[in-house]
Amino acid sequence: DVKVTQSSRYLVKRTGEKVFLECVQDMDHENMFWYRQDPGLGLRLIYFSYDVKMKEKGDIPEGYSVSREKKERFSLILESASTNQTSMYLCASASGGGTEAFFGQGTRLTVV
Amino acid sequence: GEDVEQSLFLSVREGDSSVINCTYTDSSSTYLYWYKQEPGAGLQLLTYIFSNMDMKQDQRLTVLLNKKDKHLSLRIADTQTGDSAIYFCAERGRASGTYKYIFGTGTRLKVLA
Repeated sequence: DVKVTQSSRYLVKRTGEKVFLECVQDMDHENMFWYRQDPGLGLRLIYFSYDVKMKEKGDIPEGYSVSREKKERFSLILESASTNQTSMYLCASASGGGTEAFFGQGTRLTVV
Repeated sequence: GEDVEQSLFLSVREGDSSVINCTYTDSSSTYLYWYKQEPGAGLQLLTYIFSNMDMKQDQRLTVLLNKKDKHLSLRIADTQTGDSAIYFCAERGRASGTYKYIFGTGTRLKVLA
């Protein structure tokens, strides 16, 4: 069965901390994505990756970076967390020629 | 750039049909999707339609695509309380030699018993 796993369901961090959100997929997918979800704004693409060590900015990359050292793992990094980064973060993966994106269960991050 | 728009809320009575609408801007999109998100969960694919199709039916779900107007709709027949969720429209667009998925704001469907 297809699986995208995010390391935490809930996370509380302090302003200024460096935060790592981890995502692992077991489907050998080339493409992986990080979105944030906010009420009334839907899902907005932060970063995506189409291969190991390759990354592309999405629509709202400011304040974030990513790392993809292995094909199955895609990490989102908040360099210095701020309260406006409090949100639900969703990871997804998709094969290069596939039709659909598969999502993890989400990480609800609160920055205090 | 690409943009996908949906209304934010829809309320229907149990047993009625629900119709959720979406407009998109990227005419080169090859696939259009409907995802469902239940409370506290990630997104789950409900159905998708290829851009050369006008309609796709899957049990209680009917997807209609009007490519000329860039309009996509999802009809749920005999809506049940278990259908209460947020429904996201999405398109697949080209990006840097691969694809990316652009989502709408989501429509929160509330089914009244």
